Amino acid sequence: DSGVTQTPKHLITATGQRVTLRCSPRSGDLSVYWYQQSLDQGLQFLIQYYNGEERAKGNILERFSAQQFPDLHSELNLSSLELGDSALYFCASSVLGLNTEAFFGQGTRLTVV
Amino acid sequence: GENVEQHPSTLSVQEGDSAVIKCTYSDSASNYFPWYKQELGKRPQLIIDIRSNVGEKKDQRIAVTLNKTAKHFSLHITETQPEDSAVYFCAASIRDDKIIFGKGTRLHILP
Repeated sequence: DSGVTQTPKHLITATGQRVTLRCSPRSGDLSVYWYQQSLDQGLQFLIQYYNGEERAKGNILERFSAQQFPDLHSELNLSSLELGDSALYFCASSVLGLNTEAFFGQGTRLTVV
Repeated sequence: GENVEQHPSTLSVQEGDSAVIKCTYSDSASNYFPWYKQELGKRPQLIIDIRSNVGEKKDQRIAVTLNKTAKHFSLHITETQPEDSAVYFCAASIRDDKIIFGKGTRLHILP
């Protein structure tokens, strides 16, 4: 167990819908990252938050948004879902920035039908 | 933008032989290079990392080398065992900035 908790583990929804994925980082970790893992795309960096503020952005679509709350948990919001958004979404956390080990949650598998 | 290339995408080696996975990165300011192992259906987990002020690091059967001039870094696994079968990801990051992963190498250890 990495100490990073993601909910839900599985999510099935229809095209056009909106979902929220939740991540609780390890106790004491200020940085939270979100990644999308599709079958042939490896781990795509979406966005990073540090102590409540957006730190870095990757290939995140405009239909997606995220935030980190004062208690440091984070949510990834995916809207106007398309079939191609089906993927495994990972959250990771680390103590400070990225030059320390990032611990991954078990992921949320999103299926858009 | 930043990019990390990883090769090969698939690698099969006989049990007991060595496996080498190679990565290149584009941003010369990258200074931290972790390697993650992802077993089927599980989360990625760090197996070894190296910083830009070090050329090589070893941990039992695993070693990583870094060539800053060429912007190459490699993972070496010796005396491979069945439990080494997994997907391995290299990554590169700059200071506290985003970490970019390679596309992964699926390693098969053949009996």
